[in-house]
Amino acid sequence: NAGVTQTPKFRILKIGQSMTLQCTQDMNHNYMYWYRQDPGMGLKLIYYSVGAGITDKGEVPNGYNVSRSTTEDFPLRLELAAPSQTSVYFCASSYSSGRGTGELFFGEGSRLTVL
Amino acid sequence: AQKITQTQPGMFVQEKEAVTLDCTYDTSDQSYGLFWYKQPSSGEMIFLIYQGSYDEQNATEGRYSLNFQKARKSANLVISASQLGDSAMYFCAMRPSSGGFKTIFGAGTRLFVKA
Repeated sequence: NAGVTQTPKFRILKIGQSMTLQCTQDMNHNYMYWYRQDPGMGLKLIYYSVGAGITDKGEVPNGYNVSRSTTEDFPLRLELAAPSQTSVYFCASSYSSGRGTGELFFGEGSRLTVL
Repeated sequence: AQKITQTQPGMFVQEKEAVTLDCTYDTSDQSYGLFWYKQPSSGEMIFLIYQGSYDEQNATEGRYSLNFQKARKSANLVISASQLGDSAMYFCAMRPSSGGFKTIFGAGTRLFVKA
């Protein structure tokens, strides 16, 4: 069981560049999430999705975009990278309500540095 | 507004002793889930324990227990018989039933276990 897989694990970007963080899960979870974690801080929700074709903003969506064309995949797009986007990004998934406790299954994280 | 507050940035505990990590939450939802996650220095996020808002009994998972006081809106994590491997960041999180089942996190508490 692969669980939640994120790529790349590390990336250095120059200011103004764009990139996509990939996330895929093989647990058939409906709900998927992108969080960012700044050094020494908690996780902030960027975007989330409750199913294919449905996405919504979280707490800190500015500078990011997402899409959800399949149940398995939930890529996060960074447009015009800025130093403030230097962070560790976590993708997570969970069952929808009524199944299990709703705990999040996390990927290993992607460390992004914008210089 | 939904909010999680962890007021202890850092805690020290002697090996084999018990420790309580504080968490208070704010939500207007009647139905919600409360979670604790552990983040070791390696960076991955590990689910520890879950408490549902309608659960009458406090949740327990091995050496972890959740002291749930609904009227006070607190969900403290108790770790019994601390081990050196318990040294990590600990995050309290809440998943309200409204708003797309977004999980929000507190700022975390760093626990140091002394030998």
